Amino acid sequence: QKEVEQDPGPLSVPEGAIVSLNCTYSNSAFQYFMWYRQYSRKGPELLMYTYSSGNKEDGRFTAQVDKSSKYISLFIRDSQPSDSATYLCAMTFGSGGGADGLTFGKGTHLIIQP
Amino acid sequence: GAVVSQHPSWVICKSGTSVKIECRSLDFQATTMFWYRQFPKQSLMLMATSNEGSKATYEQGVEKDKFLINHASLTLSTLTVTSAHPEDSSFYICSAVDRGSVNTEAFFGQGTRLTVV
Repeated sequence: QKEVEQDPGPLSVPEGAIVSLNCTYSNSAFQYFMWYRQYSRKGPELLMYTYSSGNKEDGRFTAQVDKSSKYISLFIRDSQPSDSATYLCAMTFGSGGGADGLTFGKGTHLIIQP
Repeated sequence: GAVVSQHPSWVICKSGTSVKIECRSLDFQATTMFWYRQFPKQSLMLMATSNEGSKATYEQGVEKDKFLINHASLTLSTLTVTSAHPEDSSFYICSAVDRGSVNTEAFFGQGTRLTVV
């Protein structure tokens, strides 16, 4: 069993829909959870990071962590074609934001249809 | 956010030769840099962590003599793939963080696609 499982997609939804992206993990020692967005031929950029179980909201994005189920989610409201990208979940044992090495999911390729 | 420049974006080399990949932090001091590798349809996997002025720490299963990492300055780290073979063909990406800053976000380069023929 891989440490972090993420459906690679592609996931295709119409513009304006709510998008739900998910990852599961096996190691309960992970403490910080991050979501990165990666456009083609670019490096990943940090969208959100969370520490505790619960929800964290930032604009159209909501990150959700359920440590008891080892399950994290990213919700995108009012999705736009510009949101089309690969979304990577990542987690770490130590400090947030990536200051320690990260364990990544495979990434989900998201397509928002105009 | 801060900018990390990785060079080259892609490289093709012959089997048995060595390839050097550079990772530069352009507008901040990178006290720590990370090197990741991604095979097709797989996750980004951490290869090694390097702190400026120190020897790199390699993850289990990564050959330190094959993947030479140098982090001699606060703005530059290099990864040299020595005696490259076709199985080393992969996507290599670096990230950099300033541990002395309040913001410990890691910023990623754009990656290097290595093809060994």
